[in-house]
Amino acid sequence: KQEVTQIPAALSVPEGENLVLNCSFTDSAIYNLQWFRQDPGKGLTSLLLIQSSQREQTSGRLNASLDKSSGRSTLYIAASQPGDSATYLCAVRATTSGTYKYIFGTGTRLKVLA
Amino acid sequence: EPEVTQTPSHQVTQMGQEVILRCVPISNHLYFYWYRQILGQKVEFLVSFYNNEISEKSEIFDDQFSVERPDGSNFTLKIRSTKLEDSAMYFCASKPLLAGVDTQYFGPGTRLTVL
Repeated sequence: KQEVTQIPAALSVPEGENLVLNCSFTDSAIYNLQWFRQDPGKGLTSLLLIQSSQREQTSGRLNASLDKSSGRSTLYIAASQPGDSATYLCAVRATTSGTYKYIFGTGTRLKVLA
Repeated sequence: EPEVTQTPSHQVTQMGQEVILRCVPISNHLYFYWYRQILGQKVEFLVSFYNNEISEKSEIFDDQFSVERPDGSNFTLKIRSTKLEDSAMYFCASKPLLAGVDTQYFGPGTRLTVL
């Protein structure tokens, strides 16, 4: 059964720092991995999606990498800003035939201090 | 930019009552999903829906739950007899039928409180 874990659970950094959020999954047979942002009381905003054949994806100050063999993904945020404060979730889509469901991690709660 | 909408934003109900949570997916999307998030816990998959039928459901999605696409725009989740443990944030998501597009677009959620 696929399990997704994120560390750290919470992170507080001063503005301007570069930071790394980690996601690990137990079954390397994934179809893709997606990083989401969740603001308090709000829905999920997709940040980056990495297909299983890809190693990384970039969008602005965000870079996500994927190492399927070791069951890991990292989300790198460059030059963090207070507006980046949110909970970051990773989710994997399994390769089981016919399924499109995502299995989510517990999230990393990020606070960027001004 | 098109987005998924959900109503109501917050629903309070008594245990044992029926509730219907409503979602309007993005108009050209054909895959629909419900997820839930109990406070402080992971987002959990409930059900996926395609071509007017359930394509997959989790063990959480028991006989008390049902989904429907009553018209061309709405996608609903019904809980027949709510329990205290159904209190959670319920998210609807949709995905287009496009090769290579796997991103699911999530709505803002409905917070369900069962008293």
